[in-house]
Amino acid sequence: KQEVTQIPAALSVPEGENLVLNCSFTDSAIYNLQWFRQDPGKGLTSLLLIQSSQREQTSGRLNASLDKSSGRSTLYIAASQPGDSATYLCAVRQDDYKLSFGAGTTVTVRA
Amino acid sequence: GAGVSQSPRYKVAKRGQDVALRCDPISGHVSLFWYQQALGQGPEFLTYFQNEAQLDKSGLPSDRFFAERPEGSVSTLKIQRTQQEDSAVYLCASSPSLMNTEAFFGQGTRLTVV
Repeated sequence: KQEVTQIPAALSVPEGENLVLNCSFTDSAIYNLQWFRQDPGKGLTSLLLIQSSQREQTSGRLNASLDKSSGRSTLYIAASQPGDSATYLCAVRQDDYKLSFGAGTTVTVRA
Repeated sequence: GAGVSQSPRYKVAKRGQDVALRCDPISGHVSLFWYQQALGQGPEFLTYFQNEAQLDKSGLPSDRFFAERPEGSVSTLKIQRTQQEDSAVYLCASSPSLMNTEAFFGQGTRLTVV
């Protein structure tokens, strides 16, 4: 069974600092990995999708890397802002459809 | 609609009551998923539809849980004789096709069983 772990569980940084969020998974046979943002009481917003053949994806201040062989992905958020405060979830797709999620990293950016 | 729509957003049910949760996926999306998210945890897979066919229901916690998508668009997750451990956020997601595609999630339905 695929196990997805996100460390740290919570993170608090001052505004302007870069954020580094880690995700690890136990089975490297994945199709893709997706990073989501979840605001309190809300659903999931997709941030980045990395296919298994890719090493990284970028969107604005967000950059996600994937090292499939070692079972790791890292989400970098540059120059953090208070609006970046949320829970960030990573999920891996191991077969045609099912996503396995980590428990998330809750980020607080202090103004 | 522009995104995945779920209703109701919040549901309070008395223990033993039956509930029905609705999901309207993005128009034209073939794949539809239901996930359950307990407080402080990541979502857990419940079931998967490809058009109207339920191809995987291995994540449904018990036979009190039932899902359908009769016309390949709107889906309903039904929970019979609700129990306190059913309290969670139920998330619906859809994808345009089968392989290697992005999943789009709805806002979820928060179910509280009292």
